Amino acid sequence: KNQVEQSPQSLIILEGKNCTLQCNYTVSPFSNLRWYKQDTGRGPVSLTIMTFSENTKSNGRYTATLDADTKQSSLHITASQLSDSASYICVVSAKRGANNLFFGTGTRLTVIP
Amino acid sequence: EAQVTQNPRYLITVTGKKLTVTCSQNMNHEYMSWYRQDPGLGLRQIYYSMNVEVTDKGDVPEGYKVSRKEKRNFPLILESPSPNQTSLYFCASYYRADTEAFFGQGTRLTVV
Repeated sequence: KNQVEQSPQSLIILEGKNCTLQCNYTVSPFSNLRWYKQDTGRGPVSLTIMTFSENTKSNGRYTATLDADTKQSSLHITASQLSDSASYICVVSAKRGANNLFFGTGTRLTVIP
Repeated sequence: EAQVTQNPRYLITVTGKKLTVTCSQNMNHEYMSWYRQDPGLGLRQIYYSMNVEVTDKGDVPEGYKVSRKEKRNFPLILESPSPNQTSLYFCASYYRADTEAFFGQGTRLTVV
């Protein structure tokens, strides 16, 4: 069964600290993995897309890693800011079919001053 | 500016009163999808469309209809809304099935 699991469900950190969010998946055949940021009540916005051959990709203070062998990904946020408070959703795309996006339930990050 | 536009953003309606949520994209994408998002469940696909006049059911299609008469528009229709359809709805479009999806701002629907 194709599944995407994220941990932790929620996280509270102090402004300026780093944090790492985890994503494990069982989606096969794998096409790519995406991390989205979703502010409360708004649509998800893409942070990174990683294919099988990529193991690290950065977008500013966000760095995603992918281990296709263990089917794990992480999103590392450096020097957190209050504006980083949001849900972060891991989405894995399978190679076949148009109905091929599998969503994690997200990690709710709260950055406090 | 590339965008996906949904309307309305907020809607409160009564059980059984037909409603339509519109979705429009300006990126000439072939693929469009509708999702609902409920607490603890993440995003679940309702319907998707691979091109004009080509639509198919997602994971939770019951109680919904869609149409794709033109490439840019993909309305979601609730013929007889029920309280269990109270949710946050998102429309998304993408160039190919394996490319980045662009999401609309969401429609918060409450059915009383």
